Amino acid sequence: GAGVSQTPSNKVTEKGKYVELRCDPISGHTALYWYRQSLGQGPEFLIYFQGTGAADDSGLPNDRFFAVRPEGSVSTLKIQRTERGDSAVYLCASSLGDRDTDTQYFGPGTRLTVL
Amino acid sequence: GENVEQHPSTLSVQEGDSAVIKCTYSDSASNYFPWYKQELGKGPQLIIDIRSNVGEKKDQRIAVTLNKTAKHFSLHITETQPEDSAVYFCAASMDSSYKLIFGSGTRLLVRP
Repeated sequence: GAGVSQTPSNKVTEKGKYVELRCDPISGHTALYWYRQSLGQGPEFLIYFQGTGAADDSGLPNDRFFAVRPEGSVSTLKIQRTERGDSAVYLCASSLGDRDTDTQYFGPGTRLTVL
Repeated sequence: GENVEQHPSTLSVQEGDSAVIKCTYSDSASNYFPWYKQELGKGPQLIIDIRSNVGEKKDQRIAVTLNKTAKHFSLHITETQPEDSAVYFCAASMDSSYKLIFGSGTRLLVRP
């Protein structure tokens, strides 16, 4: 079946602009995660949704970052007033939401470049 | 919070040899330890995971061991093949539906 998809695959923007990154999870997965991966580093947790609500947003670096999942499926990560330091690959993952047997499946990521 | 350290950062082996990657974690509450393989331009792909109620798990050429007392876990790849070349990440979490804390990665090169 289809895996996690993310659009766009690449996004180039100018400093100060607003961007939206989209994630389509695997059908039926109730849990959705956003991570950020800088060059040469491991993914870093940003936010986790269980259904429509953000269960843990402790990884969001500041209030310029916001994410929504209004219908419990597709999620959008929104970044306001982008800075050069926001340049990274933004990864989305989804899982069934069963804490005893879960597996997080990752999408291919969106590479964000802030000029 | 949890901190995961991973070693080595790069590893080069001859095809057919074994490769071992080691990770340590700091939070004794962690109970779930997955390993991901990431190829260039792609997202991480789960290759094996282990939960704290077992000490070892094997899947064909890949095995993972966990020592909860010492707070470390290791990935073992036997009979390495060139297609095993990639970056490998370990991670730790309270459970598999919780946020994953990743190590910094190991770049594995398998020389033909």
